[in-house]
Amino acid sequence: AQTVTQSQPEMSVQEAETVTLSCTYDTSESDYYLFWYKQPPSRQMILVIRQEAYKQQNATENRFSVNFQKAAKSFSLKISDSQLGDAAMYFCAYRSVNTDKLIFGTGTRLQVFP
Amino acid sequence: NAGVTQTPKFQVLKTGQSMTLQCAQDMNHEYMSWYRQDPGMGLRLIHYSVGAGITDQGEVPNGYNVSRSTTEDFPLRLLSAAPSQTSVYFCASSYSSGTILTEAFFGQGTRLTVV
Repeated sequence: AQTVTQSQPEMSVQEAETVTLSCTYDTSESDYYLFWYKQPPSRQMILVIRQEAYKQQNATENRFSVNFQKAAKSFSLKISDSQLGDAAMYFCAYRSVNTDKLIFGTGTRLQVFP
Repeated sequence: NAGVTQTPKFQVLKTGQSMTLQCAQDMNHEYMSWYRQDPGMGLRLIHYSVGAGITDQGEVPNGYNVSRSTTEDFPLRLLSAAPSQTSVYFCASSYSSGTILTEAFFGQGTRLTVV
């Protein structure tokens, strides 16, 4: 069975600085998808970024980028130029190919200080 | 475009009561799922469906029933509510584009308290 581990329950960053959130996973599959979801106080789950395991290139979305290390089974999220609106819970999630079932980590609460 | 709509947003139940959490999507997505979110545990899959008439159990299915009579709706039924079912419930949907499955689209969640 696959597992996802987020070892940082809480992180904080100064506005305009860069922060990296960690995620590791365990799987015996060779092809899969990885996601970062943001959950602000409104409770809505918002997709931040996705990575296909077969792609060697790290995904980027504006200020958000990932460091995908397939051999190490690591999938960290880097937030550059942090903004107050980035404050939220961030969840790392794994999905096998051809299934919509997501396996989530326990989340990291990010605080952003002005 | 409404996306994934969950009702109600908040609910308080007494132990032993039954209720149905509603989930509807207007995107013609074939895949739909229910998750529960508990403090310190992330989201866990309760039940899921790969199309109308097809459902299966997820990681934590006990105490819940689902059915999928239409593509649009995927209600979650609590048969006899227990305090352990106090949680935030999320419905999600996705679709396949050829061999690619899109990311999940989530509803706004339902906060359920069982007293």
